[in-house]
Amino acid sequence: AQKVTQAQTEISVVEKEDVTLDCVYETRDTTYYLFWYKQPPSGELVFLIRRNSFDEQNEISGRYSWNFQKSTSSFNFTITASQVVDSAVYFCALSVSGGKLIFGQGTELSVKP
Amino acid sequence: ETGVTQTPRHLVMGMTNKKSLKCEQHLGHNAMYWYKQSAKKPLELMFVYNFKEQTENNSVPSRFSPECPNSSHLFLHLHTLQPEDSALYLCASSQDRPDRILGEQFFGPGTRLTVL
Repeated sequence: AQKVTQAQTEISVVEKEDVTLDCVYETRDTTYYLFWYKQPPSGELVFLIRRNSFDEQNEISGRYSWNFQKSTSSFNFTITASQVVDSAVYFCALSVSGGKLIFGQGTELSVKP
Repeated sequence: ETGVTQTPRHLVMGMTNKKSLKCEQHLGHNAMYWYKQSAKKPLELMFVYNFKEQTENNSVPSRFSPECPNSSHLFLHLHTLQPEDSALYLCASSQDRPDRILGEQFFGPGTRLTVL
């Protein structure tokens, strides 16, 4: 069975702090994709990143970085120097063959000024 | 219009009403999805359409009826809903691959549904 776990339900930080959102996944498939989405208060999910199971290189995009470790089945997301606009719910998701996207429960990040 | 649009953005209906949610994607994708997002719960996949054919029905009650007339439009027809059906209903689209591994899904803004 496939599963995504985001153990942190809510995180609150002060602006300019770094914050890491954890994501642990379960799958027996060897080929899969991992995603992160951001859901601001407006409701729309915004795609942030897709990573395939054969590419364990970490990725950095501006203040965002992702750490993919197959050995621990984790795909963690770090925001450096957080800003108030980063306040949102963040979802980690897993896609395997068969076309289904499985979401974690989401982590609500609150960045206070 | 760009991306994925959904109408209406907000809907309040009684349990005996019949209403429809509309989704339109302007991305040339071949797959469309309906998700339900209830408070404090993960997104629940409801339906998947691939090349206009329904390929997934995630044990959704028959009071929800999807329709996909073409690859750009997706409807969710609602009738005799229950208060527990109140939620945010999100539509998404993606360019599906032959091996059925999904490309990234692009989401609409959602319809906030309240059933009285």
